[in-house]
Amino acid sequence: QVQLLQSGPGLVKPSQTLSLTCGISGDTVSNTDAAWNWIRQSPSRGLEWLGRTYYRSEWSTEYAESVKSRITISPDTSKNHFSLHLRSVTPDDTAVYYCARGSLGLDSWGQGTLVTVSS
Amino acid sequence: EVVLTQSPDSRSVTPKESVTITCRASQNVGLNLHWYQQKPHQSPKLLINYAFKPFSGVPSRFSGSGSGTNFTLTISGLEAEDAATYYCHQSYRLPRTFGQGTKLEI
Repeated sequence: QVQLLQSGPGLVKPSQTLSLTCGISGDTVSNTDAAWNWIRQSPSRGLEWLGRTYYRSEWSTEYAESVKSRITISPDTSKNHFSLHLRSVTPDDTAVYYCARGSLGLDSWGQGTLVTVSS
Repeated sequence: EVVLTQSPDSRSVTPKESVTITCRASQNVGLNLHWYQQKPHQSPKLLINYAFKPFSGVPSRFSGSGSGTNFTLTISGLEAEDAATYYCHQSYRLPRTFGQGTKLEI
């Protein structure tokens, strides 16, 4: 059974970088049948897909246009996790952030992290 | 981007009743449409993948149908534990998108 465990701070100051990590158990980040996603949820935006990373014969990443200039999603095979870095945050980035495995749909989700952007 | 529009936005239902939630896509997504259940303060959970395939462990009262641009999620014989918000999601095109959600109150 796949389990995803998120870690990272719940409070980030405006203009700084939001950083979260998603630890994977029961699967590997380099599974060629899976993609590793970050999604956020807020009352104003609903569920918003931010991007994903996946391995086939090489690593690939894809991002939503709305955050493309500010986001990096990266895998770490040695620690079997993947990370989200969102730069230059504003209060509008306040949301619950989720990691999720994409295989047959988004079939495993992390527990969610409420990230508040505030000084 | 593929816009997913769910209806209704919310509905109050009684136990043992059956309910149908619809999801309309702004363009053809084939069968690449999935349904999730989210309870307060919990992560979404996959119910149905690829329009009609029940995910592992999902009760048989949940069923999905449709293809192309029109999809439905049916819950037959509602139970109190089905009170939640339900979302559709497409994995046909990037960016991945979600419906706005349908809140069921029981």
